[in-house]
Amino acid sequence: DTAVSQTPKYLVTQMGNDKSIKCEQNLGHDTMYWYKQDSKKFLKIMFSYNNKELIINETVPNRFSPKSPDKAHLNLHINSLELGDSAVYFCASSSGSGTSGAFETQYFGPGTRLLVL
Amino acid sequence: AQTVTQSQPEMSVQEAETVTLSCTYDTSESNYYLFWYKQPPSRQMILVIRQEAYKQQNATENRFSVNFQKAAKSFSLKISDSQLGDTAMYFCAFMKPSGTYKYIFGTGTRLKVLA
Repeated sequence: DTAVSQTPKYLVTQMGNDKSIKCEQNLGHDTMYWYKQDSKKFLKIMFSYNNKELIINETVPNRFSPKSPDKAHLNLHINSLELGDSAVYFCASSSGSGTSGAFETQYFGPGTRLLVL
Repeated sequence: AQTVTQSQPEMSVQEAETVTLSCTYDTSESNYYLFWYKQPPSRQMILVIRQEAYKQQNATENRFSVNFQKAAKSFSLKISDSQLGDTAMYFCAFMKPSGTYKYIFGTGTRLKVLA
């Protein structure tokens, strides 16, 4: 019954490795997001997809690559992990279809705590 | 560009008392949405309350209410009858309902409810 789920919840890995975080929503939403929460708890948008199309790509290193196989899934792949990538990564979804005036509330997953050693 | 400021990094309140968390924002938009999210130690982000800028009436949800002052660009959260379960980080967020619909978050206020 979980609305937005992420796997794994915890990820500990070595510098230089490649890892993926998966996100799935069962709310029927059209739009999904990835946020990064740093050690000071600051939350910042990274990416957003609407119906499998990329609509937000903030200034994120190109080692981060989102992939949306369908509108219920948005995965985040990270290449060549660095110490600074350690953070909590949140997936979120909302119902908006990009129509001007649509009211969006974002529903968040439980977060994935990534620790790069 | 929009910015959101939460000037109180930490606050504490006695159980059953009332506390107000402040949030100010900067935007040139006339239509937008504002949110308060709660993040307890479990890390889950939970929507507390939302406000549509074109609505003058302040939103309320049970013990949670907002004081929305559009001209002052202020959006404070009042928690009445504080409970131990209210202990959490609280984030204020701004969203412009066009384009990317992304949230701009404040830096958060850590609230501790004391028994």
